[in-house]
Amino acid sequence: GQQVMQIPQYQHVQEGEDFTTYCNSSTTLSNIQWYKQRPGGHPVFLIQLVKSGEVKKQKRLTFQFGEAKKNSSLHITATQTTDVGTYFCADAHGSSNTGKLIFGQGTTLQVKP
Amino acid sequence: DTGVSQNPRHKITKRGQNVTFRCDPISEHNRLYWYRQTLGQGPEFLTYFQNEAQLEKSRLLSDRFSAERPKGSFSTLEIQRTEQGDSAMYLCASSAYHSPNTEAFFGQGTRLTVV
Repeated sequence: GQQVMQIPQYQHVQEGEDFTTYCNSSTTLSNIQWYKQRPGGHPVFLIQLVKSGEVKKQKRLTFQFGEAKKNSSLHITATQTTDVGTYFCADAHGSSNTGKLIFGQGTTLQVKP
Repeated sequence: DTGVSQNPRHKITKRGQNVTFRCDPISEHNRLYWYRQTLGQGPEFLTYFQNEAQLEKSRLLSDRFSAERPKGSFSTLEIQRTEQGDSAMYLCASSAYHSPNTEAFFGQGTRLTVV
C-alpha cells in the first residue's frame, strides 16, 4: 500500500535557526495537507497544496509541493519556541473522493530558547 | 465550543472488556473519520462516514472494532474484547463536503489504556 515517509524524525534547533521537514511518497500524491500537533494536543490543519510545483507561505512557514507530486517540504525560518511540536504531512485522498488522510510519521521539532 | 468533541478523554480498561467512545463532530460537517495514533506515529485511518453511511473501513481494522453514526450526527467507536495492542489515542475528525479535499478538524482524542 501507499507509504508516506517523513524525515527527519526529530530535530533540535536553537531558537532563531531554520528548520525543514521533508515528506516523500512511494506513489503520486493526490494533494498534500500539513498538520501541526503540539505536545499533548491534537493535529491542527496548517495548509493544503494541490498543484505540482506549488509554493505557499504563511508568515515564517514555506510549503512546497514537488513537480512530480511525490514529495513536499515545510521550511520554518527563524524558529521560535512556539513552533515546538510535531509536523505531519498527509496525502489527502481526493481521487477516491473520501478525504481520508494518509499521514507520514511526523517530524518532532524541539526549539532551545 | 463548536469544535469536535470526544468523550471520554481517557479510558483505562482491563483486557477482554468492551469499550465505547463517542465523537460529536462540527454540526454542519457531513464527513466523519476515526483515526488511531500510537506514540511516535502519525494518525492511522480507521474508518470514514459520509452522513450516516460508513463508506470505507481500513483493512487493518479487526472485526472487534465497529463504528456507527446514527442519523449522521454523532458517532461511536466500539472495541470488543480489548487487547493490550489496542492501547492508543483514538482521534475523531470531521470535515465538510465542499470538494474532495478540505481540511479535517480533529477532536482532542480518547486515550485508551488496556491493562
